[in-house]
Amino acid sequence: KNQVEQSPQSLIILEGKNCTLQCNYTVSPFSNLRWYKQDTGRGPVSLTIMTFSENTKSNGRYTATLDADTKQSSLHITASQLSDSASYICVVSHQTGANNLFFGTGTRLTVIP
Amino acid sequence: DGGITQSPKYLFRKEGQNVTLSCEQNLNHDAMYWYRQDPGQGLRLIYYSQIVNDFQKGDIAEGYSVSREKKESFPLTVTSAQKNPTAFYLCASTLGWRGDGYTFGSGTRLTVV
Repeated sequence: KNQVEQSPQSLIILEGKNCTLQCNYTVSPFSNLRWYKQDTGRGPVSLTIMTFSENTKSNGRYTATLDADTKQSSLHITASQLSDSASYICVVSHQTGANNLFFGTGTRLTVIP
Repeated sequence: DGGITQSPKYLFRKEGQNVTLSCEQNLNHDAMYWYRQDPGQGLRLIYYSQIVNDFQKGDIAEGYSVSREKKESFPLTVTSAQKNPTAFYLCASTLGWRGDGYTFGSGTRLTVV
């Protein structure tokens, strides 16, 4: 069964600290993996997209890693800011079909001053 | 600026009423999608359309209907048959039918009163 699991479900960190969010998936055959940031009451915004051959991709203070062998990805946030408070959603694409996206339930990150 | 516009941002529905959520995109994207988001759950696909005048049911299509008369527009009607419609609804579009380059709208919060 194609599934995407994220951990932790929620996380609270102090402003300026780093944190790492996890995403494990069983989607096969794999096409790509995306991380989205979703502010409360808004639509998700893409942070990174990684294909099978990519191990690391950065977008400012956000760095995503992908281990296609173990089917794991992480999103590392460096020097967190209050504006990083949001839900972070991992989305994995299957190679075939138009209805081919599998969504994680997200990690709710709260950055406190 | 190109993007996806969802309206209204907030919508209230009385029991037994049908309501229609608007989704318009000026990205010249081929495929459009409707998702439902509930607390603690991943996004669930309601309907999707790969070309004009054609659409397919997603995982939770019961109680919903759509139309795709124009490439730019993909309205979603929540009918009285949908017994638990209170949720956050997200519209998305992609350039190709394979779901690459997802762009999300800002969402509509529907509440039954």
